[in-house]
Amino acid sequence: SQQGEEDPQALSIQEGENATMNCSYKTSINNLQWYRQNSGRGLVHLILIRSNEREKHSGRLRVTLDTSKKSSSLLITASRAADTASYFCATDAPGNQFYFGTGTSLTVIP
Amino acid sequence: SQTIHQWPATLVQPVGSPLSLECTVEGTSNPNLYWYRQAAGRGLQLLFYSVGIGQISSEVPQNLSASRPQDRQFILSSKKLLLSDSGFYLCAWARERGQPQHFGDGTRLSIL
Repeated sequence: SQQGEEDPQALSIQEGENATMNCSYKTSINNLQWYRQNSGRGLVHLILIRSNEREKHSGRLRVTLDTSKKSSSLLITASRAADTASYFCATDAPGNQFYFGTGTSLTVIP
Repeated sequence: SQTIHQWPATLVQPVGSPLSLECTVEGTSNPNLYWYRQAAGRGLQLLFYSVGIGQISSEVPQNLSASRPQDRQFILSSKKLLLSDSGFYLCAWARERGQPQHFGDGTRLSIL
């Protein structure tokens, strides 16, 4: 299936440190998106990167995309306790709907 | 601005009982609508999506069905719930396929 796999499954860091999460997928894509989910809530869209883009920034977020390796990374700089959440990548591939990965659980310790 | 409403937030149902979860979107027209299920600590499984009134696509065979009686209303139903139907159900909308999806706050369904 066209499902993203996030790595690591869980990540625990100190406030102020950077957090990096990775996503790998299987086939060609139109775009890749990152979402955030606070415990017990719906997902919130963070950033979309198209297949012809290599890097994108939004505030403290930096997303990279390497289509040759079929992978993406999400970097959160200067993390805050409020960044504690699960982060999911989702791929939009030709002929298919979205497929979400299994997520990375991020804990930022104050 | 657009908003999405999903209810109820929590539901406890006995095995074999019927189910109806409702999702409505405000502030947009002809959205793509989605129903997902999320098992504890897991990713999202797409159950149904709809590109228009009365148009429903099912991603996985299951005990559930979906309907879209109005442009901005999406309903998830079951005639007889199974224990395996427990989970966190999320509704989402997007302007078109491939575009960012906007989620409701979910319904936590427990089957006893």
